[in-house]
Amino acid sequence: GAVVSQHPSRVICKSGTSVKIECRSLDFQATTMFWYRQFPKQSLMLMATSNEGSKATYEQGVEKDKFLINHASLTLSTLTVTSAHPEDSSFYICSARESSYQPQHFGDGTRLSIL
Amino acid sequence: GENVEQHPSTLSVQEGDSAVIKCTYSDSASNYFPWYKQELGKGPQLIIDIRSNVGEKKDQRIAVTLNKTAKHFSLHITETQPEDSAVYFCAASQGNTPLVFGKGTRLSVIA
Repeated sequence: GAVVSQHPSRVICKSGTSVKIECRSLDFQATTMFWYRQFPKQSLMLMATSNEGSKATYEQGVEKDKFLINHASLTLSTLTVTSAHPEDSSFYICSARESSYQPQHFGDGTRLSIL
Repeated sequence: GENVEQHPSTLSVQEGDSAVIKCTYSDSASNYFPWYKQELGKGPQLIIDIRSNVGEKKDQRIAVTLNKTAKHFSLHITETQPEDSAVYFCAASQGNTPLVFGKGTRLSVIA
């Protein structure tokens, strides 16, 4: 149980393109989803926390107009990287939690490469 | 806010030996401590977790210990196998707050 599916697994696109990443909880309802960014050989950096039906809470230094997060249902959250540039290239990972005090389960990440 | 320190950053062990990874946290309000295993190109996978009302938890070859007074917790892997090779992350939270991760330990099990 507790499967989180993330798509696509890899995206390569040109600078200026907007890219949407989907995160789904397959066998549980996630009241809270999290989006992380991970640079090579580094730890996970929390970008934002989203609760179903509410606006996402962004961490300091993360541009909310750059990284649009939507959590419209209890099983789906999306991250849209708008007008992506090479510096946005990274490994983006989502995580979902059924409720407070429950474990966070992670998707397998999306490798984003902006040319 | 919470700060989690993790040591060592790299660890090499012979197959069959034990591996120990240690973490310390700063916020005494933290009460939930999970450990994740991340393989190359994959997302972190929860392998074991412990809450503050328990001092030790074991699941087959994996165990976690928690010392609330000293604010540190450790992951113990016994009888290591090559497939245990990965990056391991510890984390801490208050249960209803986002996880704060350590910087990770790259474990290599040498056959």
